[in-house]
Amino acid sequence: QKEVEQNSGPLSVPEGAIASLNCTYSDRVSQSFFWYRQYSGKSPELIMSIYSNGDKEDGRFTAQLNKASQYVSLLIRDSQPSDSATYLCAGWAIKAAGNKLTFGGGTRVLVKP
Amino acid sequence: SQTIHQWPATLVQPVGSPLSLECTVEGTSNPNLYWYRQAAGRGLQLLFYSVGIGQISSEVPQNLSASRPQDRQFILSSKKLLLSDSGFYLCAWKSSYEQYFGPGTRLTVT
Repeated sequence: QKEVEQNSGPLSVPEGAIASLNCTYSDRVSQSFFWYRQYSGKSPELIMSIYSNGDKEDGRFTAQLNKASQYVSLLIRDSQPSDSATYLCAGWAIKAAGNKLTFGGGTRVLVKP
Repeated sequence: SQTIHQWPATLVQPVGSPLSLECTVEGTSNPNLYWYRQAAGRGLQLLFYSVGIGQISSEVPQNLSASRPQDRQFILSSKKLLLSDSGFYLCAWKSSYEQYFGPGTRLTVT
């Protein structure tokens, strides 16, 4: 099992809908997680961090962490065409003493007007 | 506030030529620093990371090397570039719990 796994997509959602992205992780990843957004040709931008079980909301974004099931999700409400990007899930690798961030392969999101 | 700089932004180099990419961080001290490469349409590959001056951990054996001559400076080098070295090179730094990326250098080896 990979340390962090994501569905590569593309996830196509109509404008105004909710985009739901999922990420699963192994026991080799610590339970602090991050979502990055990467536009084509640009560097990844940190958009959400979640450290404890439950939900964390920031604007139109909600991150959810379920430690028992080992998954993290990101909800994008009222999706806009500007949300079209690749979203990367990441967590700190335990074996590297928290010094190395392990990334999933990314989920491409397409928001259609 | 913290800022991370990378240069150059784009680079076109012939096969067999040397490479030097530089990354500097402002507004923090003794950060963990990272070099990643992202090939076209692919995921992020960690190349090197550093927890302090002169301390380099290599993740992938290849013809690249890294150095950290100063606390907030991280350099990626190669003596002879290969076609497979083309990609988007990203420097990143770690705060207490979070990691932030620089703007990147797009390298094309011809």
